[in-house]
Amino acid sequence: AQKITQTQPGMFVQEKEAVTLDCTYDTSDPSYGLFWYKQPSSGEMIFLIYQGSYDQQNATEGRYSLNFQKARKSANLVISASQLGDSAMYFCAMRAIFSNYKLTFGKGTLLTVNP
Amino acid sequence: GAVVSQHPSRVICKSGTSVKIECRSLDFQATTMFWYRQFPKKSLMLMATSNEGSKATYEQGVEKDKFLINHASLTLSTLTVTSAHPEDSSFYICSARDRTGSSYEQYFGPGTRLTVT
Repeated sequence: AQKITQTQPGMFVQEKEAVTLDCTYDTSDPSYGLFWYKQPSSGEMIFLIYQGSYDQQNATEGRYSLNFQKARKSANLVISASQLGDSAMYFCAMRAIFSNYKLTFGKGTLLTVNP
Repeated sequence: GAVVSQHPSRVICKSGTSVKIECRSLDFQATTMFWYRQFPKKSLMLMATSNEGSKATYEQGVEKDKFLINHASLTLSTLTVTSAHPEDSSFYICSARDRTGSSYEQYFGPGTRLTVT
């Protein structure tokens, strides 16, 4: 079974600063993928970034980067130069290779960007 | 990019009635679709995996007779909440996997907010 833990129910950051959202995971599968999604108040799930367990380099997508530390089983999301529009719920999720592409989500972190 | 739609976006129904939610992949074929449920300020909980042309696979604790899932084509899956009760009020989100895309591609619909009165 897979488990995702997000220990920060809420985070605050000043506009233009960087923020790190924590995510740790647990799985016994040898191959897996880690995802981050953004969910604004409107409800849609917006894919941000993906990291494969065998990827040698940390994933980056624009202002988003994933700090992947496999030995620690952590996959923290770093948002640089925060914008007011970044205020939303952020979910970390995992898919294991033998899970038929099912995603297991963490409880989420509510990020508030202050002007 | 790949687009998944859901209809309706919001629905209010009376207790005891049934309501159908549609999930469509608009510009790709989806052999697999997933249905999630989300309570306010909570995480997404996978309800079932819907495979085109076969029976859905339900997660433990999800009543398959209450949440009927049909995946009759490569672009459409439906979730029917039968004999709805107020505790079924929730946000229902579907996602679809592009069978021709990379292995991790999964696209989410905008969600359907169900309120049972």
